Amino acid sequence: EAGVTQSPTHLIKTRGQQATLRCSPISGHTSVYWYQQALGLGLQFLLWYDEGEERNRGNFPPRFSGRQFPNYSSELNVNALELEDSALYLCASSIYGSYNEQFFGPGTRLTVL
Amino acid sequence: KNEVEQSPQNLTAQEGEFITINCSYSVGISALHWLQQHPGGGIVSLFMLSSGKKKHGRLIATINIQEKHSSLHITASHPRDSAVYICAVSLFQGAQKLVFGQGTRLTINP
Repeated sequence: EAGVTQSPTHLIKTRGQQATLRCSPISGHTSVYWYQQALGLGLQFLLWYDEGEERNRGNFPPRFSGRQFPNYSSELNVNALELEDSALYLCASSIYGSYNEQFFGPGTRLTVL
Repeated sequence: KNEVEQSPQNLTAQEGEFITINCSYSVGISALHWLQQHPGGGIVSLFMLSSGKKKHGRLIATINIQEKHSSLHITASHPRDSAVYICAVSLFQGAQKLVFGQGTRLTINP
């Protein structure tokens, strides 16, 4: 069974540009989560999507947004990039439900110059 | 104060030693997760538990709900166990959201 996949592996942008990161969940999983891991900081929850809807959002500005497609894959968009957006962005998926384990993808490393 | 605190932040040990990493939390949770992150950045879920104890190979995770404390133990540690170990909790409210500890960097020397 294929795991969670993310693309691209690495992404280099300049300040002010937009970045789009993609995630494909494990087959059968309807929930997709996005997390940010900035250098020197712990993992922080960004967004949770399920059945195409945004269900919960972390403490991030509106320029972090995303969507979930009918096939449950997801995109994370970061507009007006700032230097501090440089981080590892991790996607995870799970079966919907409060007690279900999340499975993580390999991450996209975003560098903002 | 963080909702999830881990100790120690860094741990270096010799191959074969018994390792313990601790996690304390201050909020109501529906489950606690132990994750492993290797230098490349990928994260593997080791355990998800809401009570008692779980064992997988050389890894053991315990949780004490009353004391809001969990421990991850590694028996007969090996250099390939070197990684960052992260404790995370699913909150009662918005249970799908994980709140993470700052991680424990474990180095096992041969």
